[in-house]
Amino acid sequence: QVQLQESGPGLVKPSETLSLTCTVSGASISSNYWSWIRQPPGKGLEWIGYIYYSGDTNYKSSLKSRVTISVDTSKNQFSLKVSSVTAADTAVYYCARGSIAGFDYWGQGTLVTVSS
Amino acid sequence: QSALTQPRSVSGSPGQSVTISCTGTSSDVGGYNYVSWYQQHPGKAPKLMIYDISKRPSGVPDHFSGSKSGNTASLTISGLQAEDEADYYCCSYAGSYSWVFGGGTKLTVL
Repeated sequence: QVQLQESGPGLVKPSETLSLTCTVSGASISSNYWSWIRQPPGKGLEWIGYIYYSGDTNYKSSLKSRVTISVDTSKNQFSLKVSSVTAADTAVYYCARGSIAGFDYWGQGTLVTVSS
Repeated sequence: QSALTQPRSVSGSPGQSVTISCTGTSSDVGGYNYVSWYQQHPGKAPKLMIYDISKRPSGVPDHFSGSKSGNTASLTISGLQAEDEADYYCCSYAGSYSWVFGGGTKLTVL
């Protein structure tokens, strides 16, 4: 059974860097595409970016200058960094396995609050 | 990469059918046969209900169905059940390994 688990700080100060890791079990990260998706409180889903095990990435255009997604195949993990965060980056962050067709497995989500 | 347009809310009585629309552009919904739909209950992660416009993953009840015409995709839930009450999001592949979600629709079962 494929499982994804997000981990990282729940509170980040404005202007600092948000860092999250997604640990994958039940599947090899060396297949499929792996994405980060976020949901501000009370709002809709927003795709942030994806990575393939080879290291190929793409990011939502409006976030591209602040987002980095990386992969560690030895740990079956992939990670998200968002720099220069503001209150607008406060959200539940999900990691998900996907393909062009859609996202079939999701983590439970982790709330990250940006506040001083 | 603007969000796809969904109605904010829809409602129906048990046993009835409801349809949720999802309107994009020729750069996303209209340009690819890769529309997916997600169900999200409060406090839970989204669950894939439909992919490739109309395919259901194993375990998804067959009273969920999807379709597409031009730049608009639709999710139809027939024989509404109380447990279908949730938020629903559409998502479309938008080319160059990017995806875009709809704003979400709250389904109320009366």
